[in-house]
Amino acid sequence: EAGVTQFPSHSVIEKGQTVTLRCDPISGHDNLYWYRRVMGKEIKFLLHFVKESKQDESGMPNNRFLAERTGGTYSTLKVQPAELEDSGVYFCASSGRWNEQFFGPGTRLTVL
Amino acid sequence: AQKITQTQPGMFVQEKEAVTLDCTYDTSDPSYGLFWYKQPSSGEMIFLIYQGSYDQQNATEGRYSLNFQKARKSANLVISASQLGDSAMYFCAMREGSGYSTLTFGKGTMLLVSP
Repeated sequence: EAGVTQFPSHSVIEKGQTVTLRCDPISGHDNLYWYRRVMGKEIKFLLHFVKESKQDESGMPNNRFLAERTGGTYSTLKVQPAELEDSGVYFCASSGRWNEQFFGPGTRLTVL
Repeated sequence: AQKITQTQPGMFVQEKEAVTLDCTYDTSDPSYGLFWYKQPSSGEMIFLIYQGSYDQQNATEGRYSLNFQKARKSANLVISASQLGDSAMYFCAMREGSGYSTLTFGKGTMLLVSP
């Protein structure tokens, strides 16, 4: 069974540009989460989808971040326009039986 | 207040020895779950072990065991017979409630296993 996949693995963009991160959860997992780890800090929750609905988006830092999950399968996280403080590793996870969350490999975003 | 506290920024252990990574948590919810994840240098987050708040016995998964002390609100990870491949960052996390809620992570402990 394929795990959670994320694309791209790395992205380097300039301040003001737009970047879209993609996450494909484990097949059949309705719950999908986005997290972010900024250098040297804790992994922080961004938002939680149940199928295509946003269950909790309390962790989204501001309106430059837009997450979608059309059709309840893969999800995208768009940052527009990107700022320097958006640099970090963005993780996606989907839930198993105990809500153990299986994480993807992450996307390392660098904003110059 | 911090919900998950990992007081050890780094730990060193020799190969084949056992090591305990500390984790304390803070919640008023009677139903919660505790998780440990491993993050090697390659960056992915690997689920290791889970303990539910109502579980009577400590969780074990191979060389990993969770020393769950509910009254002390601690959920330490014990790795027996350390291997070089265990060198990684280890995160303790908590889910509050019984549903599919989010995880709150600690700051992590970097474990280095030497030959």
